[in-house]
Amino acid sequence: AAGVIQSPRHLIKEKRETATLKCYPIPRHDTVYWYQQGPGQDPQFLISFYEKMQSDKGSIPDRFSAQQFSDYHSELNMSSLELGDSALYFCASSQLNTGELFFGEGSRLTVL
Amino acid sequence: GQQVMQIPQYQHVQEGEDFTTYCNSSTTLSNIQWYKQRPGGHPVFLIQLVKSGEVKKQKRLTFQFGEAKKNSSLHITATQTTDVGTYFCAGNSGAGSYQLTFGKGTKLSVIP
Repeated sequence: AAGVIQSPRHLIKEKRETATLKCYPIPRHDTVYWYQQGPGQDPQFLISFYEKMQSDKGSIPDRFSAQQFSDYHSELNMSSLELGDSALYFCASSQLNTGELFFGEGSRLTVL
Repeated sequence: GQQVMQIPQYQHVQEGEDFTTYCNSSTTLSNIQWYKQRPGGHPVFLIQLVKSGEVKKQKRLTFQFGEAKKNSSLHITATQTTDVGTYFCAGNSGAGSYQLTFGKGTKLSVIP
């Protein structure tokens, strides 16, 4: 069965650079979520989209933005990167009425 | 904002012993979900509880949702080495929110 695809799997950036993470949800899933997980931490909700519209916003810094495109894939754009942005970024998708989130394998961002 | 507390943070058990993790929300939840994350992996959905006082079983795993829909527990009977990982509860407050708030997780180690 198709899963949530995230790219790139690993990314190394310098401070103050920009990074873009991509997420391809499971086909026919109507909701996409972005989570940030620091080492040994729980996933922190950043933002979600329902049918390509932003549906909820969590602890997403102003330096970050995200959008969902007409083909349902989503991108998380991160600018002015800081050392503290180093983390695993998970994308998850779901069908809203079922609630169950299917997570991708994550994109590991390292900021040097 | 909504907070989800989870205890214990760590649990080391001998293989064959039982294990329980507890989850408490600061607000009444619409539903609660449980996820398992293996080391180096991504969160994988285990179950969703929706009804007050609900109890669900999956083989050696028993999940409970409190009467007030503010707490939940996961109990594993006769742990096996394959149970190793971090168990997260995640709550949704409903009321149009798409946000799933994760607890800090309980990291389970099983000694063979």
